[in-house]
Amino acid sequence: EAGVTQFPSHSVIEKGQTVTLRCDPISGHDNLYWYRRVMGKEIKFLLHFVKESKQDESGMPNNRFLAERTGGTYSTLKVQPAELEDSGVYFCASSYYSGAGETQYFGPGTRLLVL
Amino acid sequence: KNQVEQSPQSLIILEGKNCTLQCNYTVSPFSNLRWYKQDTGRGPVSLTIMTFSENTKSNGRYTATLDADTKQSSLHITASQLSDSASYICVVSGDMRFGAGTRLTVKP
Repeated sequence: EAGVTQFPSHSVIEKGQTVTLRCDPISGHDNLYWYRRVMGKEIKFLLHFVKESKQDESGMPNNRFLAERTGGTYSTLKVQPAELEDSGVYFCASSYYSGAGETQYFGPGTRLLVL
Repeated sequence: KNQVEQSPQSLIILEGKNCTLQCNYTVSPFSNLRWYKQDTGRGPVSLTIMTFSENTKSNGRYTATLDADTKQSSLHITASQLSDSASYICVVSGDMRFGAGTRLTVKP
């Protein structure tokens, strides 16, 4: 069974440009999460989809970030326009159900560098 | 101040030795506590999940403990192997608060 995949693995862009990150969850997983680790900091939650609906987007830093999950399959996270502080590693995770005992499976992350 | 504090920040041990990593949290309300292993350049991989009523959970050579009264957890690694070299991250829910991790290096 394929795990969670993310594309691209790395992205280097200039301040003000737009970048779109993609996450393909494990097939059949309704729950999809986005996280971010900024350099030197801990991983932080961004948002949670259940199928195509945003269950919790309390961690989204500002309106330059837009996440979508049309059709409830893969998800995209767009940063527009990118700022220097957006640099970091963006992780996606998926799970079959959400609850106290659910296991989230993480992708390898997308390393974003904004110059 | 992070609501999930891990110690030590880094640790070096010899292959075959045991070690214990600590996680103290102030997250409330509490739902569960997870330990993840993250190899360099990879995403975190779940090791254990414990809910409020559980005070110990094992996964092979990894044993996690939880004291919900003192809000402390530990991850004990037995008979360490070179492949145990990684970052170990404590995550507490409520609302998925991550610790900064402990960087473990196992040397031959």
